[in-house]
Amino acid sequence: DVKVTQSSRYLVKRTGEKVFLECVQDMDHENMFWYRQDPGLGLRLIYFSYDVKMKEKGDIPEGYSVSREKKERFSLILESASTNQTSMYLCASSILSRGEKLFFGSGTQLSVL
Amino acid sequence: DAKTTQPPSMDCAEGRAANLPCNHSTISGNEYVYWYRQIHSQGPQYIIHGLKNNETNEMASLIITEDRKSSTLILPHATLRDTAVYYCIVRVEKGGNQFYFGTGTSLTVIP
Repeated sequence: DVKVTQSSRYLVKRTGEKVFLECVQDMDHENMFWYRQDPGLGLRLIYFSYDVKMKEKGDIPEGYSVSREKKERFSLILESASTNQTSMYLCASSILSRGEKLFFGSGTQLSVL
Repeated sequence: DAKTTQPPSMDCAEGRAANLPCNHSTISGNEYVYWYRQIHSQGPQYIIHGLKNNETNEMASLIITEDRKSSTLILPHATLRDTAVYYCIVRVEKGGNQFYFGTGTSLTVIP
């Protein structure tokens, strides 16, 4: 089975800190995605990547950046964390072709104090 | 913006069929309909997807109307473990194959 691993299940950071959320997948998938999930708002796409060193903005990229230096790893970076970035962050991957499904990690619950 | 509309919540008796509706009136000809579910504190899990024809797998059935403007996910014999949020997603073909999630339907299976 595909495994998508997020480095932390829970994370607590201070306002203004630089935060790295790491995601690794083990199935050689081309596509990787970062979503955030908030009550009443569902999942919203932050960034995605369809190849190494490639990235595309999703619906809510403001305040975030990403890095994809290796195919299996996709990092989400909060340059200066703010309280409104307190959220559940979900990473996903998929094969680059029509009709393929997403595989999700278990999520990182980030609290910014 | 979300491309699908789902009821926010539904209940279903254990052992009965759960029928979860989804409207996607602006779907285009090459867009697929996907269903995922999310059990509390876990990442979403793929259930099923389809383009035009009805589909069935070991988890569920997907019924897509002829005009493709709506679909129904059917869990034939709901169990308590099926209590989850169910997302209906239309897959946009744009660059990196984005998936847009809405707020889903919270299904509660009642003993």
